[in-house]
Amino acid sequence: AQRVTQPEKLLSVFKGAPVELKCNYSYSGSPELFWYVQYSRQRLQLLLRHISRESIKGFTADLNKGETSFHLKKPFAQEEDSAMYYCALSFMDSNYQLIWGAGTKLIIKP
Amino acid sequence: DTEVTQTPKHLVMGMTNKKSLKCEQHMGHRAMYWYKQKAKKPPELMFVYSYEKLSINESVPSRFSPECPNSSLLNLHLHALQPEDSALYLCASSQGRTSNTGELFFGEGSRLTVL
Repeated sequence: AQRVTQPEKLLSVFKGAPVELKCNYSYSGSPELFWYVQYSRQRLQLLLRHISRESIKGFTADLNKGETSFHLKKPFAQEEDSAMYYCALSFMDSNYQLIWGAGTKLIIKP
Repeated sequence: DTEVTQTPKHLVMGMTNKKSLKCEQHMGHRAMYWYKQKAKKPPELMFVYSYEKLSINESVPSRFSPECPNSSLLNLHLHALQPEDSALYLCASSQGRTSNTGELFFGEGSRLTVL
C-alpha cells in the first residue's frame, strides 16, 4: 500500500541554521510528491511539487527514487518558517487521493 | 479570484442541531473536496466531487451529507453530530481529473465544535 513517512514529529533549529525535513514514501510506480505548509492561523497551502523543481521561500526538495525520499531543505532557517509541514503523495489512478504524511512541526528558535 | 472561501469560520452546535458549512471557489476548478482535520494531524479526506458528481465518499457517516449545487459551490450538511466530530473542516479545490490532481487549494476552514 502507498504510504508517506515523516519520521520527525517535531524539529527545532536555530535561526540561520540549515533545515532538513525528512519524507520517505512507499510506492512502486511513478509518484508525484508535494510539500504542503500550514502556518499558524493560516490555510494549508502548497509549498512545493517535485515536478516543478523550483525553490519557494528558499526551500528546495529533490525526489530521490533510489531512496524513495523527498526531503525538504533550506540552507538558512528564518523565524517565519515555523509551521507545520506535510509531505504528500499522489499517483496515477489515485482518483483524487492524496496520501499524507503525519506532519512535522518546525520551530525556528531566535 | 484565487481563493477558496469557507463560511462560517466557527460553528458551535448541539447534537440535535442541523447546520451547513459552505465553500466557494471561482478559479474554474472542477474538483472540490471536503477534508476533516484534527489538531496537529494531517487532513483526512471525506468527500470528492468531480464535475459536480460525487466521486469519493470515504465511508463517512451519514450524519455528514455533501452537496455540490454547481461547479463553484460545495456544501456540507450536518445533522445529529457527535462531540468527536469536533474538528476543523477544510474545503479544497483542484483543476480536475486530468491535471494537477495533487495540487489543492484550501480554504481557511470551518472550526466546528459539537456540544
